Amino acid sequence: HITLKESGPTLVKPTQTLTLTCTFSGFSLSSSGVGVGWIRQSPGKALEWLALIFWDDDKVYSPSLKSRLTITKDTSKKQVVLTMTKMDPVDTATYYCAHKVPWGYFDYWGQGALVTVSS
Amino acid sequence: HSVLTQPPSVSAAPGQKVTISCSGGSSNIGNNYVSWYQQLPGTAPKLLIFDNDKRPSGIPDRFSGSKSGTSATLDITGLQTGDEADYYCGTWDASLSGGVFGGGTKVTVL
Repeated sequence: HITLKESGPTLVKPTQTLTLTCTFSGFSLSSSGVGVGWIRQSPGKALEWLALIFWDDDKVYSPSLKSRLTITKDTSKKQVVLTMTKMDPVDTATYYCAHKVPWGYFDYWGQGALVTVSS
Repeated sequence: HSVLTQPPSVSAAPGQKVTISCSGGSSNIGNNYVSWYQQLPGTAPKLLIFDNDKRPSGIPDRFSGSKSGTSATLDITGLQTGDEADYYCGTWDASLSGGVFGGGTKVTVL
């Protein structure tokens, strides 16, 4: 039974760095082809793909946000961490992490973490 | 704006059928599998269709997907009030070297 849960601050100030942690269970991030991704959704807006980390530590970032994002994993702790620098009010969103099947789709999603950027 | 194009909304009466389109290009839908996600109000997205036309366990066969060329389609038949949600298509984009989603379609049951 796969589960994922996002955790982190609910409020950050403009220019600060956001650090979100995805803690998962029910799978191993060392299994071939498996990945964990981050997706966000601004209020009333569409899903936006942010970043993905694979079992072999390969990483992929959204081109438009690549300079601000870093994704890392701790396989033993079953955690994936996303950092986003230079936060701005437009980054206010619900941030989701999700399990990616080998070379495929996101089949399990976390409940999401709402992050508000405001001074 | 989103790389994949979906209609903002579709609607139909209970029991009827709705079709949601998802249009892309050769770098995304044209050469990759498409998945569809249902997002009920206030909840996280849920996988509805994967690999263009496959349903995960527990998804009713009222939901079906297809793909042709650079477009994909989600059909919902026998529409129910519980189907009112936002629906998103998603795939990989080779040009962007990353995943992409459509802009989402809101389904309303009249």
